[in-house]
Amino acid sequence: AAGVIQSPRHLIKEKRETATLKCYPIPRHDTVYWYQQGPGQDPQFLISFYEKMQSDKGSIPDRFSAQQFSDYHSELNMSSLELGDSALYFCASSPRPQSNEQFFGPGTRLTVL
Amino acid sequence: KNEVEQSPQNLTAQEGEFITINCSYSVGISALHWLQQHPGGGIVSLFMLSSGKKKHGRLIATINIQEKHSSLHITASHPRDSAVYICAVPRSSGGSNYKLTFGKGTLLTVNP
Repeated sequence: AAGVIQSPRHLIKEKRETATLKCYPIPRHDTVYWYQQGPGQDPQFLISFYEKMQSDKGSIPDRFSAQQFSDYHSELNMSSLELGDSALYFCASSPRPQSNEQFFGPGTRLTVL
Repeated sequence: KNEVEQSPQNLTAQEGEFITINCSYSVGISALHWLQQHPGGGIVSLFMLSSGKKKHGRLIATINIQEKHSSLHITASHPRDSAVYICAVPRSSGGSNYKLTFGKGTLLTVNP
């Protein structure tokens, strides 16, 4: 069965650079969640989308933006990267927004030098 | 007090032992996820349950919705079970979807 795909899997950037992370949900899943997990930290919710519209927002810095496209894939854009942005960013897809089910991608490990 | 509490934080066991990890939560709706994360790895979903008990291989998860408590059991533990186990609860912020609130995880080490 198709799973959630994230790309790239690993990314190394310098401070003040930009990064774009991509998440491809399971086919026919229209809801995407983004989470950030810093080193030794528990994951934190960043933002979510349903039907190409932002549906909820968590502790996402203003330097980050995200969107969901017509094919339901989502991109997380990160600008003016800081050392503290180094983390595992994973997304999850859900078949519908009111569903308890979330299926996780493998994550993108971002390292900011 | 954290909204999702796990215990213990760290657990060391000998191969073959029966493992129990507990999760209590004060928020969320009627479901709970158990997740596994190997060191440096991504998140793998083990169970999502909203009532009773689920079993997958050597893993068993139970939940008591009224008491807002869940347990993850591993029978005949093996060194490859060594990982961080995280419970997470979906909660609605009044919008139309359910973001997850995570516990701080239990680091399990199974020695041969």
